[in-house]
Amino acid sequence: DSGVTQTPKHLITATGQRVTLRCSPRSGDLSVYWYQQSLDQGLQFLIQYYNGEERAKGNILERFSAQQFPDLHSELNLSSLELGDSALYFCASSVEEEGEVGETQYFGPGTRLLVL
Amino acid sequence: AQKITQTQPGMFVQEKEAVTLDCTYDTSDPSYGLFWYKQPSSGEMIFLIYQGSYDQQNATEGRYSLNFQKARKSANLVISASQLGDSAMYFCAMSVLYNQGGKLIFGQGTELSVKP
Repeated sequence: DSGVTQTPKHLITATGQRVTLRCSPRSGDLSVYWYQQSLDQGLQFLIQYYNGEERAKGNILERFSAQQFPDLHSELNLSSLELGDSALYFCASSVEEEGEVGETQYFGPGTRLLVL
Repeated sequence: AQKITQTQPGMFVQEKEAVTLDCTYDTSDPSYGLFWYKQPSSGEMIFLIYQGSYDQQNATEGRYSLNFQKARKSANLVISASQLGDSAMYFCAMSVLYNQGGKLIFGQGTELSVKP
């Protein structure tokens, strides 16, 4: 158990719909990262938040958005869903001091999204 | 461009034998971190081992060791005394500073099967 929790574990929805994925980081971790794992794209970085502020943005679609709340939990919102959005979405957390590359990211169990 | 390459899509190893999973990386940054993660069929991502670009010695964690050859830009994972529970996907990843934050860049993974 990494200490990172994600809900829900599975999500089945239809095209055009909107869903929210939730993540609680490990106790004491200030950084939250979101990754998408799909068969064709592999594991791709989406976005990072540090202590409530957006820190880095990767290959995140405009239909997707995220935020980190004062209690440090984070939510990833996916809207106007398409079939191609079906994937495993991971949240990870780390302590991350600014400028460090050595902080280990601990992953949650993931949310498996299926868009029909 | 920063990139991780894992050239072995799948590998077999006999139980109790050692196995090496290959990973090469490409970056022009002098400071980076290299990680290995294990993903069992259940889907979670489990952190195994970390190597910093300035570390002089190869990292070891129990049965896992990282064979770090900086000049060759390789970071191979060695698993000694393989166990049936080691059957899983293994991902090599590199951490880089990105837009003042950090992200992990993943390889495509190697599927390891341990035979009894």
